[in-house]
Parts: sequence; C-alpha cells; structure tokens
Amino acid sequence: DTEVTQTPKHLVMGMTNKKSLKCEQHMGHRAMYWYKQKAKKPPELMFVYSYEKLSINESVPSRFSPECPNSSLLNLHLHALQPEDSALYLCASSQDRLAEYNEQFFGPGTRLTVL
Amino acid sequence: TQLLEQSPQFLSIQEGENLTVYCNSSSVFSSLQWYRQEPGEGPVLLVTVVTGGEVKKLKRLTFQFGDARKDSSLHITAAQTGDTGLYLCAGANQAGTALIFGKGTTLSVSS
Repeated sequence: DTEVTQTPKHLVMGMTNKKSLKCEQHMGHRAMYWYKQKAKKPPELMFVYSYEKLSINESVPSRFSPECPNSSLLNLHLHALQPEDSALYLCASSQDRLAEYNEQFFGPGTRLTVL
Repeated sequence: TQLLEQSPQFLSIQEGENLTVYCNSSSVFSSLQWYRQEPGEGPVLLVTVVTGGEVKKLKRLTFQFGDARKDSSLHITAAQTGDTGLYLCAGANQAGTALIFGKGTTLSVSS
C-alpha cells in the first residue's frame, strides 16, 4: 500500500468556523508533512512530524494547528482563517525525516476555500 | 541557501513534439526527485535520481542527473495530451529535513 489518503476532498468554510483536515498513511512511514499550495506554484512546507513529534514549524500562523495522534494519522485544525488561506492543502509522508533520499509520497489534497 | 532553478516555467506544445525541462542548482544534492501533478491532485513521484551521470527511463520520459549532482533534466519524447500537468523537481536540503522544490514547469499538450 503506497497510498496517502486525505479527507475531505473539498472544504468551504467561513472565517469564524472551526474545521479539521485529516491525513492517513499505512506505509509504516515515520515522517509526515503538511504543505500549502497555490495554483501553478510549488508546495510550501508548513509542518513536519517525525516519530509523532513536531520537528519543524515553518513560522505558520497559530490559526493552523497540527496534531499527530499516532504514527498513521495527521490532522490539521483550522480556526479563524482568512480568505488568503484558500489553497490546496497537501499531506505527505516519508520513511524517515532523515532518510537518505527522503522520497515523499503525497495525498490527493484538500481544496480549501475560505469565504 | 539551496535553490533549485527550474525552466521553462510554462510550455505549450502540440502532441508528438519532444520537450526538455531543466532543474539547476549551484549546490550539490544527494538525490533529486521529479514529480508530476495534475490540477486539483497531489504530486505523484515519477523518479528519484541518485548517482551522478545516472539516466533513468520511464516509458517516453527520460531523466538525467548531472555528473556533479547539481542539475537534472526531464525529456519527454512524442508528448501526449495525457502528459499535461505541473512538473516539479525536488531535492532534500542539506540537513535532510525537508524537500526543496523548483518553481515547477506547467506543461500543456494539445491535440
């Protein structure tokens, strides 16, 4: 199984809403990532979890709150977002954060629209 | 700062044409990865090149890693409409903690 799954596929929320994005992998990977991607641009790293601990936070605003309940799951909690936060949110996993080739496998993404 | 310069940024061609996408850096990378992404979907890993001078083929796609491991290229022979998408090169940063992405090449193949 080389699949990373993400739910929901699409999400529309108001600026006062609280919602969560979910990501799951069953490849036994110990590193998981959240990226934000705008149209026709490369993904921008937000957070990195390694062995269920947050290891990198790329100065992301506190309205984004990551959580890693176990080695297979990664959540991104959203609260009081702004319209400019509308983007494709991608989850990825890799065997290990410091693996030699650090091949990352991406999920299909959640298309988020903030009204 | 490690950077990956990818070119061209946009490419619009007819079916049957050949094309090459370049990914260059002044830094040495232990490996480079190529991804292809369709609109509204996540990037899909196409290949990882590891050894300087390495050439890998994936059907009509040929990937090359420069001898000095500072650059890579992707060549597509006889492009098809199904090749349309965003192509991204990426390499691990020196700490090995995250991927550095090129800006991407948006390829449009029309029939």
